[in-house]
Order: sequence, then C-alpha cells, then structure tokens
Amino acid sequence: KAGVTQTPRYLIKTRGQQVTLSCSPISGHRSVSWYQQTPGQGLQFLFEYFSETQRNKGNFPGRFSGRQFSNSRSEMNVSTLELGDSALYLCASSLQGVYGNTIYFGEGSWLTVV
Amino acid sequence: QKEVEQNSGPLSVPEGAIASLNCTYSDRGSQSFFWYRQYSGKSPELIMFIYSNGDKEDGRFTAQLNKASQYVSLLIRDSQPSDSATYLCAVNGNQFYFGTGTSLTVIP
Repeated sequence: KAGVTQTPRYLIKTRGQQVTLSCSPISGHRSVSWYQQTPGQGLQFLFEYFSETQRNKGNFPGRFSGRQFSNSRSEMNVSTLELGDSALYLCASSLQGVYGNTIYFGEGSWLTVV
Repeated sequence: QKEVEQNSGPLSVPEGAIASLNCTYSDRGSQSFFWYRQYSGKSPELIMFIYSNGDKEDGRFTAQLNKASQYVSLLIRDSQPSDSATYLCAVNGNQFYFGTGTSLTVIP
C-alpha cells in the first residue's frame, strides 16, 4: 500500500512569489492535514481537509490556504512568500479525520525562500 | 503555556540502556496520545499511540499514560544506535498538538 506522497520534495522560491504544494494521501484515507515544521517552532498545524471541506485551521495568516479534491488529493498554497516561510511542510493523512485517529506523514516538501 | 511540553534534551544513553522520554500536556480533555520518531532530514514516523491510563508495550517500546497528572512517557529498552533520533510527543484533539521533541543519542 502506497504511503503519503508529497511533491515537490525540494524547492527554492524568491520573496513575494507564491508556491503550491501537493499531497496524495494513503488510498482510502479521506482526511489530509498540513503542518509546518521549523527548528524554532517545531511542528505546527496549518489546516485539515476532510471530504473536500476544511474542517479545522491553525493560527496562520491568510496567505496560507489549501483545498482538497474529490479524489482526496490536497494542495496547499502560500502567497506572497516571506523569508520566515522557509520550512519543511508536511502533509499527513488519516482514515476518518484527525480527531481521535492516527495520522501518517508524507516525506515533506522542503521550501527555501530567498 | 504550550499545549504539549517536552524536554528538548539532548538525552544521551549508552547502548543497551533504557531511554526515558517525558511529555506533559495542558488540555485535560485530551483523549489520544502519540509518539513519533523523526530522523534528521526525514518526516515523523509513528511509533506508538495510547488512549488508556497505564502502560502499553510494543517490542522494546513502552508508552505510559497518566491522565490525572497529564503526563505521557516513552521508554525504550535495550537502546540501539539506530534509535538515535528526535522523539515527538503528540496530543490529539480537534487537531494534533506536537511537542518540540526530545533529541536522543544512543552511544555505542
């Protein structure tokens, strides 16, 4: 059974640009959640999507957005990139949703903003 | 106060020893508790989860939960150099709250 797949794995962007990251969950999983990991702040929750609906959102500015498609694949977008957005972005999938369930992480997308 | 607190370490133990990792959480209503292991440059991988008070054993790993004290721990018996990694404690509510992780080094 394939795991969670994230693309691209590595990318470098310039301040002010935007970026779109993609996540394909484990087959049959309907929930996709996104996290930002930095050395200073650790793993922080961005948002969760379940059946194409945003179920919950963390404390990030509106520049961070996401969506989920009918096949459960998800994308997250960051607009007007700032240097502080440099981080590892992790996607995780869960069978029925984050609450009360286990999440499984993809390998992540390393974003560097210069 | 952060939702999940862990000692950042680093924690160093000799090979074959028991490594003890600790975590406290603030939301008394939390129901599910998880330990993830993260190697440098890699994504977190699930080691164990625990829902009920007491101990849960899986191979060399034992998770311990004390809801009254809002305390979760992970014991690694017979520690191996391959156990050297950062261990993340996570508490589950309407979202996952992660600790900042404890760095463990097992010295051969």
